[in-house]
Amino acid sequence: QQQVKQSPQSLIVQKGGISIINCAYENTAFDYFPWYQQFPGKGPALLIAIRPDVSEKKEGRFTISFNKSAKQFSLHIMDSQPGDSATYFCAASKQTGRRALTFGSGTRLQVQP
Amino acid sequence: NAGVTQTPKFRVLKTGQSMTLLCAQDMNHEYMYWYRQDPGMGLRLIHYSVGEGTTAKGEVPDGYNVSRLKKQNFLLGLESAAPSQTSVYFCASSSNLAGTYNEQFFGPGTRLTVL
Repeated sequence: QQQVKQSPQSLIVQKGGISIINCAYENTAFDYFPWYQQFPGKGPALLIAIRPDVSEKKEGRFTISFNKSAKQFSLHIMDSQPGDSATYFCAASKQTGRRALTFGSGTRLQVQP
Repeated sequence: NAGVTQTPKFRVLKTGQSMTLLCAQDMNHEYMYWYRQDPGMGLRLIHYSVGEGTTAKGEVPDGYNVSRLKKQNFLLGLESAAPSQTSVYFCASSSNLAGTYNEQFFGPGTRLTVL
């Protein structure tokens, strides 16, 4: 059972454009929603995260939008750069218990110069 | 700080062979995790530990065993490797301190091929 669904699977954006990746979750007990960035041959690294008590969080060019009623959240990358080319994973977890992450299937982003 | 390290980086096994993957963290984290990453499936939780001497099963534990004898180390064992265990394995750790919001730090991964 896939508890976090991510789309699109791949995305090509021109330099300077906006990249948008969407995720939907099923488990209403989740209360932490991070996005991880992974470059080839490397482990995932935390990019930005949000809790469900806010609807938006912005860090530089990266913004998470969160819709609790729809059980959806998205990552927006403004002014996309070739250096942003990577695979992006959304995830969700509970802040109690095992606190393990449930990951989406990933989005491969390619920013063309 | 080295963060989270994993050894080995690459390994090729024959079906039926055994091996142990080692994960070490120097951040004094209580929680440690083993995930596997397969194309199109994201990362899936194999086993986890919430403290030294404790381990528990995740979503895909079959064929794997783990041990956490020391707080800084988390070992993943394959007793009899199968081709279905060909994957990239990631170890992660996180703090249980209030306000840390479960940021998990990942190692560089171990690419395992089972022939």
